[in-house]
Amino acid sequence: NAGVTQTPKFQVLKTGQSMTLQCAQDMNHNSMYWYRQDPGMGLRLIYYSASEGTTDKGEVPNGYNVSRLNKREFSLRLESAAPSQTSVYFCASSDNPGQGDYGYTFGSGTRLTVV
Amino acid sequence: GNSVTQMEGPVTLSEEAFLTINCTYTATGYPSLFWYVQYPGEGLQLLLKATKADDKGSNKGFEATYRKETTSFHLEKGSVQVSDSAVYFCALLRKGAQKLVFGQGTRLTINP
Repeated sequence: NAGVTQTPKFQVLKTGQSMTLQCAQDMNHNSMYWYRQDPGMGLRLIYYSASEGTTDKGEVPNGYNVSRLNKREFSLRLESAAPSQTSVYFCASSDNPGQGDYGYTFGSGTRLTVV
Repeated sequence: GNSVTQMEGPVTLSEEAFLTINCTYTATGYPSLFWYVQYPGEGLQLLLKATKADDKGSNKGFEATYRKETTSFHLEKGSVQVSDSAVYFCALLRKGAQKLVFGQGTRLTINP
């Protein structure tokens, strides 16, 4: 099925370890996004990429890096994981932002626990 | 700045009850407005949207009308089901912007 695929679905890290969350979309969308969702439900934007080759910080970029590897893939890296980064991470993609007639497609999430 | 305010949850209703989840926004110009739904253990899914004033978005029995005069986009359903239990997010996209602005979400629980 077409959509946004995130890997892994679950991960437990020790404090100080690093890891990369992978995201790929097959809808030929231009824009991709990384959010985190903490208990209490709200979404906070970490980074986004409006097009291949560009990335921009969101609300909570500290402790993260991203790579827009190509049009399909947008990865999120935690260089030195901290317990405060325990969260559920969602990737999303969209086409034609700014046209006012579009929506995000979300992946199913990566549940990360840092101990 | 641009922001979205949703009614605080959680909201608990009995099956077949009428549902309203309030959403108001602050934005320059005339944004597009969206409702997303998140079922347990899943990502968000687009439920409905409206791109201009007085438009009504609808899907799966849910409706929301873009009210410019009250800067609102309230979500309604006439008769809820247990399967509607989820978290609902209101969001806006300002014209020319690159990304959605989400409300904080409202958790809805429907009891049989």
